[in-house]
Amino acid sequence: DAGITQSPRYKITETGRQVTLMCHQTWSHSYMFWYRQDLGHGLRLIYYSAAADITDKGEVPDGYVVSRSKTENFPLTLESATRSQTSVYFCASNPHSSYNEQFFGPGTRLTVL
Amino acid sequence: DAKTTQPPSMDCAEGRAANLPCNHSTISGNEYVYWYRQIHSQGPQYIIHGLKNNETNEMASLIITEDRKSSTLILPHATLRDTAVYYCIVRGGGANSKLTFGKGITLSVRP
Repeated sequence: DAGITQSPRYKITETGRQVTLMCHQTWSHSYMFWYRQDLGHGLRLIYYSAAADITDKGEVPDGYVVSRSKTENFPLTLESATRSQTSVYFCASNPHSSYNEQFFGPGTRLTVL
Repeated sequence: DAKTTQPPSMDCAEGRAANLPCNHSTISGNEYVYWYRQIHSQGPQYIIHGLKNNETNEMASLIITEDRKSSTLILPHATLRDTAVYYCIVRGGGANSKLTFGKGITLSVRP
């Protein structure tokens, strides 16, 4: 009964390094989302995916890459991390687009030095 | 542009009702009002949603004004564990509509 999990929970990296944040859900939900949360900005949508191999940009996609080869996984990659990407990242899922509730993971706190 | 406006913070006493206001004066006919909350260091949690009728579930009640330009989330008997940031979100009903989180309102429940 894991639900939606994220790994790692905490990550410290250096500017310019590649970092991948993992998101895994056990419900076979079609839709998955990545948000970042910064002080003063609330949650902002980075990317989302309607199904395996279907992804689309959200509000703040620059500097991020996603893939969705399997329904249950939705990794988020920072190809060359910058300090402005220091944030808390949340993954979420829901069964289909008109379903009312999004289920959120516990978050990954990323620090870029 | 923010679709909703909420006061930044409020508090209430434990055991009393917490009434959290939200203005959404530009809401359109097919848009729903959603409420989520985020307890410190956790992911957001869905509370309730509505279109035009008042709604109630095990967590809260949602009162939407007749003109739909504002709403109130009611936690009938607030506990210390209800201390959180509460987000009021307007979301369309279409297939590609997304949740857009603003800054929310910080509710502090005092003993």
